[in-house]
Amino acid sequence: EAQVTQNPRYLITVTGKKLTVTCSQNMNHEYMSWYRQDPGLGLRQIYYSMNVEVTDKGDVPEGYKVSRKEKRNFPLILESPSPNQTSLYFCASSLTGTDTQYFGPGTRLTVL
Amino acid sequence: DAKTTQPPSMDCAEGRAANLPCNHSTISGNEYVYWYRQIHSQGPQYIIHGLKNNETNEMASLIITEDRKSSTLILPHATLRDTAVYYCIVRAFGGTSYGKLTFGQGTILTVHP
Repeated sequence: EAQVTQNPRYLITVTGKKLTVTCSQNMNHEYMSWYRQDPGLGLRQIYYSMNVEVTDKGDVPEGYKVSRKEKRNFPLILESPSPNQTSLYFCASSLTGTDTQYFGPGTRLTVL
Repeated sequence: DAKTTQPPSMDCAEGRAANLPCNHSTISGNEYVYWYRQIHSQGPQYIIHGLKNNETNEMASLIITEDRKSSTLILPHATLRDTAVYYCIVRAFGGTSYGKLTFGQGTILTVHP
């Protein structure tokens, strides 16, 4: 089944403790992206990647890192999480940046 | 990206057609209209998209006005499982907006028994 998977789905952590949220797609998509969703602010793009080893900032990249070493994986790294990064995170992928994007199930992160 | 305007909420009776409007009066000639929906904090689900012609797939129909300044998403026979937030997105390609989907507040559609 074609899908985008994220792990973990739920995470509670403390300020400053490094964490990684994984994203994987099995559709051989070139384009992948991370969004965060907050009440009243909608979904905002954090980072995106047009292909392996090519990444770029979205609208709200501060406090996040990404890497794209393999086509199928696009992990989101929070090196020193802070409470303002408490949010619902979604990974998305598409064949190219101009094609329809498909979203993962989401990761709900709470930083205490 | 062109901005979109949607009503904050709508109701629909189960089995009836749900018609969700979207205004995008500043749309450019090469911008597509996309519709996604989100069911209770799940990942947004792609529904349909179009440029200027009406489109239909197994989920819905998309009607775009001739001047492209507005569109309507039609769910022909709404069910309770169609209760969700529906997002109308006008998508730009290239430049700093490459690949980005700009989600607004959407329309909360509630389907009643």
